[in-house]
Amino acid sequence: AQKITQTQPGMFVQEKEAVTLDCTYDTSDPSYGLFWYKQPSSGEMIFLIYQGSYDQQNATEGRYSLNFQKARKSANLVISASQLGDSAMYFCAMRDATYGNNRLAFGKGNQVVVIP
Amino acid sequence: EAGVAQSPRYKIIEKRQSVAFWCNPISGHATLYWYQQILGQGPKLLIQFQNNGVVDDSQLPKDRFSAERLKGVDSTLKIQPAKLEDSAVYLCASSLARHEAFFGQGTRLTVV
Repeated sequence: AQKITQTQPGMFVQEKEAVTLDCTYDTSDPSYGLFWYKQPSSGEMIFLIYQGSYDQQNATEGRYSLNFQKARKSANLVISASQLGDSAMYFCAMRDATYGNNRLAFGKGNQVVVIP
Repeated sequence: EAGVAQSPRYKIIEKRQSVAFWCNPISGHATLYWYQQILGQGPKLLIQFQNNGVVDDSQLPKDRFSAERLKGVDSTLKIQPAKLEDSAVYLCASSLARHEAFFGQGTRLTVV
C-alpha cells in the first residue's frame, strides 16, 4: 500500500540557517515520483521539488534540495539559508502506480516557523 | 499561463444542505484531482479523473459526494447532504500525466 510518513513536530529555525524535513515512504512500485509542496498560511499549495525513483542524482531547485536515499525509502527536504517567508507547512507526496492510476498521495506535513 | 481556478473561495452551509464546487484546470492537463484537507492534516484524495473518466474514487464517500468532469475540462464536486465533518478545504489540482500537480486556491467549506 502507498504510504508517506512525516512525523516531526513543529520546527523553529533561525533565519539564514538550514532546516531538514523528514519524509519516509513505502511503495511496491519500482517506478515512482516524490514531491515536496509548501503551504503557507494563505492556503495555496506550492510545488517545490521533484525526485524520480530512477534519478541518479538528488534533485535541487534553488534553496531546496532533496536528500534521496532509495534503500532507506527516505526523501528529506533541505531548505538552505532559511527566510521568514519559508514559514509554512511542508508536505511530502508520492505518485506511484500501486493502484494503477498514478495516485498522488500526501503525508501529514511538517510545520516550520522561521524566526528572525 | 493561467492557473487552476476554483470557486467559490468560501462557503458556509447548514448541515443537511447541499453544496457544489467548481474547478477549471490548467489548459491541456488531462489529470484532475479533488482533495479534501481537514484542518491540521494533509490533503486526502477524493477523486482523480483522467480526461473525463474516473480513475480513482476509492476514498470518495459516494453516499453523499459526487463529482463529474464535463468534456474532460471543468469539474464539479457536490456534497448532498452535508455533515459537520465535511468542514474542510476542498482543493482541486491538475497535472500532465506523472508530472507535478498544480493546485487551485481551494474552497473553504464550513458546515454549521
